[in-house]
Amino acid sequence: AQKITQTQPGMFVQEKEAVTLDCTYDTSDPSYGLFWYKQPSSGEMIFLIYQGSYDQQNATEGRYSLNFQKARKSANLVISASQLGDSAMYFCAMREPYTGGFKTIFGAGTRLFVKA
Amino acid sequence: DTGVSQDPRHKITKRGQNVTFRCDPISEHNRLYWYRQTLGQGPEFLTYFQNEAQLEKSRLLSDRFSAERPKGSFSTLEIQRTEQGDSAMYLCASSSGQGDEKLFFGSGTQLSVL
Repeated sequence: AQKITQTQPGMFVQEKEAVTLDCTYDTSDPSYGLFWYKQPSSGEMIFLIYQGSYDQQNATEGRYSLNFQKARKSANLVISASQLGDSAMYFCAMREPYTGGFKTIFGAGTRLFVKA
Repeated sequence: DTGVSQDPRHKITKRGQNVTFRCDPISEHNRLYWYRQTLGQGPEFLTYFQNEAQLEKSRLLSDRFSAERPKGSFSTLEIQRTEQGDSAMYLCASSSGQGDEKLFFGSGTQLSVL
């Protein structure tokens, strides 16, 4: 069963506008973590933002914020004031416990195109 | 902090040959992960080490794949009798085992099996 779902294969946004990238997840464990990573064309995965399942406030990191709706099991990424350098693949990921430790699994990704 | 390094960056091999990749994690990180990524897809979990112990291996992973992390430092991933379907980017990541457990990734090894 797919645990991380990103329904938007590609998204376009005008420079300086905000964009929301969708992510839904599935887990039965009450303790988990949610992440967003960026992968530019150079290939290296870059950590953007983290939300713990017990965190009451939505996480923010500069221009990135995570819209966490626990009951709906969604963890959407909001990028404000888009820049040309934001063009990249974006992956939603979930860390969940399993016997022996933790494992992080990834969604299929959303490719974001920022237009000048 | 020199980051996670992977070697080689690219590997071209013929079907049936064995290949080995190396990953050097961030020195103070005790957790190390291997992922495989094909074009247009997200990273697929392969295996995970805590120190030198391999704690999890994906059930989707063929017996041709083996990984080691002797002494809990660098790790190697070996693929025996490579097949064209093994062509992918192999990513290594490490984490500190504390806090949010965010992953620090290397640049990956791109494998092409001809």
